[in-house]
Amino acid sequence: GAVVSQHPSRVICKSGTSVKIECRSLDFQATTMFWYRQFPKQSLMLMATSNEGSKATYEQGVEKDKFLINHASLTLSTLTVTSAHPEDSSFYICSATGGEGSGANVLTFGAGSRLTVL
Amino acid sequence: QKEVEQDPGPLSVPEGAIVSLNCTYSNSAFQYFMWYRQYSRKGPELLMYTYSSGNKEDGRFTAQVDKSSKYISLFIRDSQPSDSATYLCARNTGNQFYFGTGTSLTVIP
Repeated sequence: GAVVSQHPSRVICKSGTSVKIECRSLDFQATTMFWYRQFPKQSLMLMATSNEGSKATYEQGVEKDKFLINHASLTLSTLTVTSAHPEDSSFYICSATGGEGSGANVLTFGAGSRLTVL
Repeated sequence: QKEVEQDPGPLSVPEGAIVSLNCTYSNSAFQYFMWYRQYSRKGPELLMYTYSSGNKEDGRFTAQVDKSSKYISLFIRDSQPSDSATYLCARNTGNQFYFGTGTSLTVIP
């Protein structure tokens, strides 16, 4: 089946530094990639949608200058949390369409990245 | 009205029980329906997907869609402690995906 690889799985950084999270589709070309944020015991919150070679579309309330998304190829998207602060501590999950037989209609998720900002 | 409504639970059942997880949705546009399982501190794992009314079976899991009543269900037979997780239902309209809030399931040995 389709596999989305995400790393690092866990990262701890100091306040004010930047952190990059990578998301790769391993055995398929991702039509679209999505980035979610999830707080403990809460559902997924969509941050942005990105297509290869174009600028990401951010959801309302998500700061595009803080959460930089680059979708350089059909198999790689990155999320950079710039000048991280403790309130950015969260679980970030990427996902992609194009993997399952349904093509663009089913999402495959990465394992998630837990960010802790000290 | 939310796009997808899901009972958050929590749901606790004894090992071997049949589990029924349910969601309702509001939009009638052509779409796929998905069920995901999420263990603590992990990304959601796709269990099943379907686009038509009726049942789709995969091992101990059966996904059921009733488009006339806009109701989707996931049944787990012979539940195991390893099934303890949060289950998310989802649907899409084109490139937009809508998730339920998730149902927390605990299977007690």
